[in-house]
Amino acid sequence: NAGVTQTPKFQVLKTGQSMTLQCAQDMNHEYMSWYRQDPGMGLRLIHYSVGAGITDQGEVPNGYNVSRSTTEDFPLRLLSAAPSQTSVYFCASAPQQDTEAFFGQGTRLTVV
Amino acid sequence: DQQVKQNSPSLSVQEGRISILNCDYTNSMFDYFLWYKKYPAEGPTFLISISSIKDKNEDGRFTVFLNKSAKHLSLHIVPSQPGDSAVYFCAASSTGANNLFFGTGTRLTVIP
Repeated sequence: NAGVTQTPKFQVLKTGQSMTLQCAQDMNHEYMSWYRQDPGMGLRLIHYSVGAGITDQGEVPNGYNVSRSTTEDFPLRLLSAAPSQTSVYFCASAPQQDTEAFFGQGTRLTVV
Repeated sequence: DQQVKQNSPSLSVQEGRISILNCDYTNSMFDYFLWYKKYPAEGPTFLISISSIKDKNEDGRFTVFLNKSAKHLSLHIVPSQPGDSAVYFCAASSTGANNLFFGTGTRLTVIP
């Protein structure tokens, strides 16, 4: 049972480059979300989705795009990477938005 | 502004003793609270939760207490084991909301 799978685990980008962080879950969860974790800040919500075809912004959405074409996948796109986006990114899924979330292992992104 | 606060960045406890991790929140609309445990290079994993209609929830060695009037919750681990050494995050949400608000985490070290 894979749960929530994130790829890649590590990534270094140059300022201005774009990339997509992949997230897939095999639990048939409707709710998926992306968080970033920064030192001294806890985890902060970037974007979330309550089902296929539906996405919305979280607390810190600027510089990121998401889409949800299937229940399983929820990719996060960095449009033009900036050093301020250096962080650890976690994808999570849950049966519903008010229930416990299952997290992926994280993607450590460095923007130079 | 941090709506969920964990004011102790670290805690060290002897094996077999009780660990008490504290969490304060400011938003009176929060009605669901969770504790997550995180090992290095892994995503957070759900530990225990409590609804605002309760003041205590117990699961094996883990007990969460909620004091709504003080806007305070705590996680008790008894007895503490070396495998409990991890970072513990407190999180909170309100019914119908789309976000889990996380604290900054407390690093627990259980000394053998």
